[in-house]
Amino acid sequence: EVQLVESGGGLVKPGRSLRLSCTASGFTFGDYAMSWFRQAPGKGLEWVGFIRSKAYGGTTEYAASVKGRFTISRDDSKSIAYLQMNSLKTEDTAVYYCAVGGGSWYFDLWGRGTLVTVSS
Amino acid sequence: EIVLTQSPGTLSLSPGERATLSCRASQSVSSSYLAWYQQKPGQAPRLLIYGASSRATGIPDRFSGSGSGTDFTLTISRLEPEDFAVYYCQQYGSSPVTFGQGTKLEIK
Repeated sequence: EVQLVESGGGLVKPGRSLRLSCTASGFTFGDYAMSWFRQAPGKGLEWVGFIRSKAYGGTTEYAASVKGRFTISRDDSKSIAYLQMNSLKTEDTAVYYCAVGGGSWYFDLWGRGTLVTVSS
Repeated sequence: EIVLTQSPGTLSLSPGERATLSCRASQSVSSSYLAWYQQKPGQAPRLLIYGASSRATGIPDRFSGSGSGTDFTLTISRLEPEDFAVYYCQQYGSSPVTFGQGTKLEIK
């Protein structure tokens, strides 16, 4: 079955770190860029960042709101993408989704999301 | 970055009626790189339309997309009970990709 499964969410204090994982199955993970999005409670969708496939250099891009604090990486041997979140702020509280697009930067496969709550 | 503005914020209709949702961009979306998603409570977004008018795999033909430049429309020809949800547009013609704020389609 083609799917993405996020894990690693939870409750964390401001200023602390958390690492999310996105485990893929059912497709050739290494061929695709992997993107992360988030959705604050009751709010809309926000792009967080992405990592290109190794064929395209494996480079990353980030939203201005997380640049310098968040890092995306990938382990193609395990079919996992990671989102390392440092210096967390209360405004980072959201459900975090990973997603992949088949042919362009629209996204036809999403995980179910993992909730990150940043609170003291 | 391109700002997408969706209207209306909430749309109240009955099953069987036609729904028309609008997405307006702050600048032209190149190559009609505009997608639409449906999201139900507690679920991930589901891709409906890409390239402004191409239906994603498995999407019923009552969903259609149109538009170009700065004005795009999602039309649901005859609403089914399962269509009541929040709908988002997304542009991917320029970096960063951005989303509209959503239109909530509720049962009247």
